Amino acid sequence: GQQVMQIPQYQHVQEGEDFTTYCNSSTTLSNIQWYKQRPGGHPVFLIQLVKSGEVKKQKRLTFQFGEAKKNSSLHITATQTTDVGTYFCAGPSHTDKLIFGTGTRLQVFP
Amino acid sequence: GAVVSQHPSWVICKSGTSVKIECRSLDFQATTMFWYRQFPKQSLMLMATSNEGSKATYEQGVEKDKFLINHASLTLSTLTVTSAHPEDSSFYICSETGLGNNEQFFGPGTRLTVL
Repeated sequence: GQQVMQIPQYQHVQEGEDFTTYCNSSTTLSNIQWYKQRPGGHPVFLIQLVKSGEVKKQKRLTFQFGEAKKNSSLHITATQTTDVGTYFCAGPSHTDKLIFGTGTRLQVFP
Repeated sequence: GAVVSQHPSWVICKSGTSVKIECRSLDFQATTMFWYRQFPKQSLMLMATSNEGSKATYEQGVEKDKFLINHASLTLSTLTVTSAHPEDSSFYICSETGLGNNEQFFGPGTRLTVL
């Protein structure tokens, strides 16, 4: 079945360092979504990318959708302690249900 | 975006008992809601799609007789874990898509612990 993998599984960074998580789908996606889940919380929608090669920015966060629409990345510049959490990518299955990636847990040390 | 509430936020129960979790759409009439389960340090796994006025659609491997879903109104979906066992202990989260472009709005989740 369709799989969405993310690397790395965990990342510990010093505050101020950059962070990147990569998302790879086994199938081509019509769109890719990114969510953030704080420890003990629920996933919160960050952004959706639709076009091949699309790049979107939200302040210190940069999201990219691959040319083949099978991979995506999220890059955080100059991390802050408020960035702590697990970042999930998610893409629609062939039945339009959302398949979540395996997630990358980010820890930021002050 | 849509606002979704869940009740209870956490529950502890004895093995063999049933637990009902409510998911409410507070500002949107949701014909479809989704139920996910998340084990510690793992991703979200879709359990079923709740359809207002009709039967839920369950994902492969999810026992429909164990996880009963009722979506009797446009603002309320319930998930009942019947005869719960310790392996059912998990974080259960519901969501809806609201009027957006496929993005999902999640409830705060219910943490179930079965002793």
